[in-house]
Amino acid sequence: EADIYQTPRYLVIGTGKKITLECSQTMGHDKMYWYQQDPGMELHLIHYSYGVNSTEKGDLSSESTVSRIRTEHFPLTLESARPSHTSQYLCASSVSGTVRINEQFFGPGTRLTVL
Amino acid sequence: AQSVSQHNHHVILSEAASLELGCNYSYGGTVNLFWYVQYPGQHLQLLLKYFSGDPLVKGIKGFEAEFIKSKFSFNLRKPSVQWSDTAEYFCAWGYQKVTFGTGTKLQVIP
Repeated sequence: EADIYQTPRYLVIGTGKKITLECSQTMGHDKMYWYQQDPGMELHLIHYSYGVNSTEKGDLSSESTVSRIRTEHFPLTLESARPSHTSQYLCASSVSGTVRINEQFFGPGTRLTVL
Repeated sequence: AQSVSQHNHHVILSEAASLELGCNYSYGGTVNLFWYVQYPGQHLQLLLKYFSGDPLVKGIKGFEAEFIKSKFSFNLRKPSVQWSDTAEYFCAWGYQKVTFGTGTKLQVIP
């Protein structure tokens, strides 16, 4: 079944650790996105990719980095986690082949807590 | 900066009541407009979308939204809500990238 997966779902980690949040989709979408969402706040776009080897920063400045070596995989990395990184991270993908954005499919999210 | 405003942060309704959630966006050019819903414990998913054509858009589960260009609005409506509509609703708009509103938590009381 075509879907979008995120692991881990929950992560509690100490300050200074390096972490990677995984995102994979089986729908063959070229476009993928990472959003950050705090409780009661809007989703903020932090990274996006229009295809393999294409990554761009989003509207919200983030200390995280991303890579897109394979179409289906779009991991997000924090080299040194800090308490200010505590948030929910949502991965999404959308239909390929169009300039303007279409429906986005979202993963379940990773809730990150940095102590 | 481009923005989306959702005026109602938390709405409580009884079953069978009518629903209207407000959404305003800040840009007057070409837009794609969306409403997404997140049911408790589930992924965010598309409820309906508007790109062009008939400004009254029908979505899943009896929801509809009306695009009013002069008011920069895209309000979500449902004539009669059910307990199963309890969820968080997000308005979004954009062209190549999407900007989301802060969301409205809807609680439907049986």
